[in-house]
Amino acid sequence: GENVEQHPSTLSVQEGDSAVIKCTYSDSASNYFPWYKQELGKRPQLIIDIRSNVGEKKDQRIAVTLNKTAKHFSLHITETQPEDSAVYFCAASPPVAGNMLTFGGGTRLMVKP
Amino acid sequence: DVKVTQSSRYLVKRTGEKVFLECVQDMDHENMFWYRQDPGLGLRLIYFSYDVKMKEKGDIPEGYSVSREKKERFSLILESASTNQTSMYLCASSSQGAGGYEQYFGPGTRLTVT
Repeated sequence: GENVEQHPSTLSVQEGDSAVIKCTYSDSASNYFPWYKQELGKRPQLIIDIRSNVGEKKDQRIAVTLNKTAKHFSLHITETQPEDSAVYFCAASPPVAGNMLTFGGGTRLMVKP
Repeated sequence: DVKVTQSSRYLVKRTGEKVFLECVQDMDHENMFWYRQDPGLGLRLIYFSYDVKMKEKGDIPEGYSVSREKKERFSLILESASTNQTSMYLCASSSQGAGGYEQYFGPGTRLTVT
């Protein structure tokens, strides 16, 4: 089955700096790569996703890049703000019935004001 | 607005008890999922279902079973609860189709087995 590894497990940045979180996946058939944000005590929510036919996608201060050859994808957050502090999860989904996701272990991002 | 609800936010059970966790979604989603979330381990898939009465094992199905008798409802059952099943349990649902779809999560049930 799919295996997703995520690094780093914790990341501390100053407000205004950029943050990068990296994930690798094992199943070359995976074709959907979402990123979820989970604030303390809340449910995970999708913040951005990318499909395998696209190399990069941006939404305001966040962007995701995908390298299918190397089987890795990254989340980039620019101009970080204290409200970006949360746990971020990457995931990969192979094209099978049920559209199941395999999640990475998560990255705790702390943005210091 | 998608809504996924779970029957309890907090639950305390004794070792050996049978535990039922229920999840209901109101968006007519075909897919439903049960995860457990433990610090440092991310979200691990226990079981999922892509249709009524259909179920598939995820990565950690041991000690759990599921039931999906109606499209909107997906139940997780711990036949004989053990202390190592103390965890946060999250339910999710999504549409079905090629290419992957956003999963919408419930608020979670924090289960403590003593």
